[in-house]
Amino acid sequence: DAKTTQPTSMDCAEGRAANLPCNHSTISGNEYVYWYRQIHSQGPQYIIHGLKNNETNEMASLIITEDRKSSTLILPHATLRDTAVYYCIVRASSDTGANSKLTFGKGITLSVRP
Amino acid sequence: AAGVIQSPRHLIKEKRETATLKCYPIPRHDTVYWYQQGPGQDPQFLISFYEKMQSDKGSIPDRFSAQQFSDYHSELNMSSLELGDSALYFCASSPKFSEQFFGPGTRLTVL
Repeated sequence: DAKTTQPTSMDCAEGRAANLPCNHSTISGNEYVYWYRQIHSQGPQYIIHGLKNNETNEMASLIITEDRKSSTLILPHATLRDTAVYYCIVRASSDTGANSKLTFGKGITLSVRP
Repeated sequence: AAGVIQSPRHLIKEKRETATLKCYPIPRHDTVYWYQQGPGQDPQFLISFYEKMQSDKGSIPDRFSAQQFSDYHSELNMSSLELGDSALYFCASSPKFSEQFFGPGTRLTVL
């Protein structure tokens, strides 16, 4: 899997948008960008994923640059419950299971302040 | 909505003992993954199964084995436990290699 680079930490005010950046400059054409988060000691939670188009769901939006070398996860109205470690993971599509695992990097710790 | 179930949630063992962790995937999910997360570490992939066959293998010690049964539940067997095996063990399931949904984890403490 391609390596990703994320800042170590960031904070934002409750109710404001949180924009979490991720660099994946060596991403291959068949690799997707996935975002997961982990609230302290709980199981990681799937947020969103995309290939090259921007994506939006009830939790967040994912903006992928045209060259696909970086992306931004946007939480539109952060709440205290969004405080967590957010992982940006690049993963190839797979029909056989090989390389379908998630390779977690260090992630970014988002702290939402009141 | 149904989620991934893991049991037990907490387990305390002595060194050199054995442990069995169980994972019940979300209904109709045919793929199961196991991850280990040591204290202060990020989750690390151990092993995965698709349709009861091993589909991928990560940094799983030879002392560990796992399998997926006909009802798709999976068990992780750990023998000759060491202090360093103390960790959170997460199971995740997915419908054929798509987005993975994680269980609450089993916290294993080896004394």
